[in-house]
Amino acid sequence: GAGVSQSPSNKVTEKGKDVELRCDPISGHTALYWYRQRLGQGLEFLIYFQGNSAPDKSGLPSDRFSAERTGESVSTLTIQRTQQEDSAVYLCASSVMPGPLNTEAFFGQGTRLTVV
Amino acid sequence: AQSVTQLGSHVSVSEGALVLLRCNYSSSVPPYLFWYVQYPNQGLQLLLKYTTGATLVKGINGFEAEFKKSETSFHLTKPSAHMSDAAEYFCAVSDRTGNQFYFGTGTSLTVIP
Repeated sequence: GAGVSQSPSNKVTEKGKDVELRCDPISGHTALYWYRQRLGQGLEFLIYFQGNSAPDKSGLPSDRFSAERTGESVSTLTIQRTQQEDSAVYLCASSVMPGPLNTEAFFGQGTRLTVV
Repeated sequence: AQSVTQLGSHVSVSEGALVLLRCNYSSSVPPYLFWYVQYPNQGLQLLLKYTTGATLVKGINGFEAEFKKSETSFHLTKPSAHMSDAAEYFCAVSDRTGNQFYFGTGTSLTVIP
């Protein structure tokens, strides 16, 4: 696709439910990143993928959070048993490749998650 | 580990005045440096980046930034603010492996008519 696509754009869920957030990166981008942006705050790193592998999961807030990537393309961020503190905008970004030729990260529009 | 500090979470300038948004980083090796802008209800958009070469980098919408290694800074400037510049601005760094982007907490720019 022309850009990074995220779905859904908005999600309202009840506390305790599971949610899945999807990210379609730019075709050919091997690196994929997930960030969380709480209201009025900066970007909080969650996880990054190099291909289908996730070398750095250090940012995942708890074991309720997980992510996977298949076919070096689509990635899904899953939040189990959602809590109100999970409410935020979840941003996905992709870049051509990690390494010396790395360029900027291209961001999707984000998924706004509201846990009620 | 790298970190990014943006001084001033909110900056207000008058229309036509100089815009200066500050960014300092901590890194043992000069990283790649970026400024992103986030307009209301939109995703992040790259303004400019520094990787190698000339330390004064020009970006879109009249913005520029200068990499100063001795000061570990990458401040963003624009000579004359426009109302359309009102947005959230994020400074980011990545190490030269490109395995991670570290973002600052952002600076909200308000332009006063």
